[in-house]
Amino acid sequence: ILNVEQSPQSLHVQEGDSTNFTCSFPSSNFYALHWYRWETAKSPEALFVMTLNGDEKKKGRISATLNTKEGYSYLYIKGSQPEDSATYLCASRPDSNYQLIWGAGTKLIIKP
Amino acid sequence: DVKVTQSSRYLVKRTGEKVFLECVQDMDHENMFWYRQDPGLGLRLIYFSYDVKMKEKGDIPEGYSVSREKKERFSLILESASTNQTSMYLCASIGQVVGELFFGEGSRLTVL
Repeated sequence: ILNVEQSPQSLHVQEGDSTNFTCSFPSSNFYALHWYRWETAKSPEALFVMTLNGDEKKKGRISATLNTKEGYSYLYIKGSQPEDSATYLCASRPDSNYQLIWGAGTKLIIKP
Repeated sequence: DVKVTQSSRYLVKRTGEKVFLECVQDMDHENMFWYRQDPGLGLRLIYFSYDVKMKEKGDIPEGYSVSREKKERFSLILESASTNQTSMYLCASIGQVVGELFFGEGSRLTVL
């Protein structure tokens, strides 16, 4: 059974501060790692799809790293803004099939 | 602008009722998915479809069925709704190039 763990479950961050959270996944079966942002009353939106060990991707103030050998990915947000408040989901894709294994998410709340 | 549209954002049904949740995508994607999301849990796959009239059970298919008569439409059916099917239901399709999921806004179903 494959498990994807995200930590922390929730996080309160002061506006302007930087933050990061973790996604752990089984390293034994790995094809890709996905990150999504899910804002309240909106659709989950893809942030990154990562496949290579050591990969680092960036989108504005958000970046992610990937370590496939040890089975973890970090998501970083620099200079948090109120619009960053959302639940961040990660999912592991173990093989070329399209089924993903999802973590329970990290709920980020930015305090003004 | 690519889109996945779910027919109902909020539904309230009674135990035993038949429930239809409709999902339409405009991206000509072959693969479509139905998930449910419950507090504290990752997204759980109910069913997916990789082509018209083709379907595969996901992790929690019991109590659900699906229909894919046209490529753009994937319907989730609860034959006889029960209170433990109260949940948020998310439809998604998958992009072929990067492999990211495109989600609808979700349908929050309450079964009384």
